[in-house]
Amino acid sequence: GAVVSQHPSRVICKSGTSVKIECRSLDFQATTMFWYRQFPKQSLMLMATSNEGSKATYEQGVEKDKFLINHASLTLSTLTVTSAHPEDSSFYICSAGVGGAANEKLFFGSGTQLSVL
Amino acid sequence: AQKITQTQPGMFVQEKEAVTLDCTYDTSDPSYGLFWYKQPSSGEMIFLIYQGSYDQQNATEGRYSLNFQKARKSANLVISASQLGDSAMYFCAMREGLNRDDKIIFGKGTRLHILP
Repeated sequence: GAVVSQHPSRVICKSGTSVKIECRSLDFQATTMFWYRQFPKQSLMLMATSNEGSKATYEQGVEKDKFLINHASLTLSTLTVTSAHPEDSSFYICSAGVGGAANEKLFFGSGTQLSVL
Repeated sequence: AQKITQTQPGMFVQEKEAVTLDCTYDTSDPSYGLFWYKQPSSGEMIFLIYQGSYDQQNATEGRYSLNFQKARKSANLVISASQLGDSAMYFCAMREGLNRDDKIIFGKGTRLHILP
């Protein structure tokens, strides 16, 4: 089946540093990828839609200058958390769709647990 | 208003019994897709089943079936013969529109506990 690879799985950083998270589609091309954020015991909240070769579409309330998304190729999207602060600590997970509209499957990466000290 | 509503924050079910996880949705778009995902404690999101708004029959995938009641806007997940490994968080999700770049919104989830 289709695989979405996400790295790193866990990162601990100091406040003020930037962290880059990679999301790769391993055996398919993904023109669109989605980035979600999940707080403990809560649902996934869509942050942005990453579009290959164009600017990402951010959801209301998500700071685009804080969460930089780059979708430079059909198999790679990156999320950079700039000048991270403790409130940015969360589980970040990416996804990409496979298949036609009739039977779309959205596959997820394994997620990145970000802890900002 | 919530687009996806899962009213059961937690459920306890005896092993081998069937379980139904409730999900209702709200949309005015005639074209939409409904998903169920399983999230074990490891955090990965596992695709379980998909139902398109124009699908005439309820979707089935092994032990999973989706009870699609279009008029009631409900898309309950039924797990037959539950197993201990089914213990996890379950999310219902909806895509408004049927294109791959249409975003998918998740419900708050139901935590399922299977008892031995």
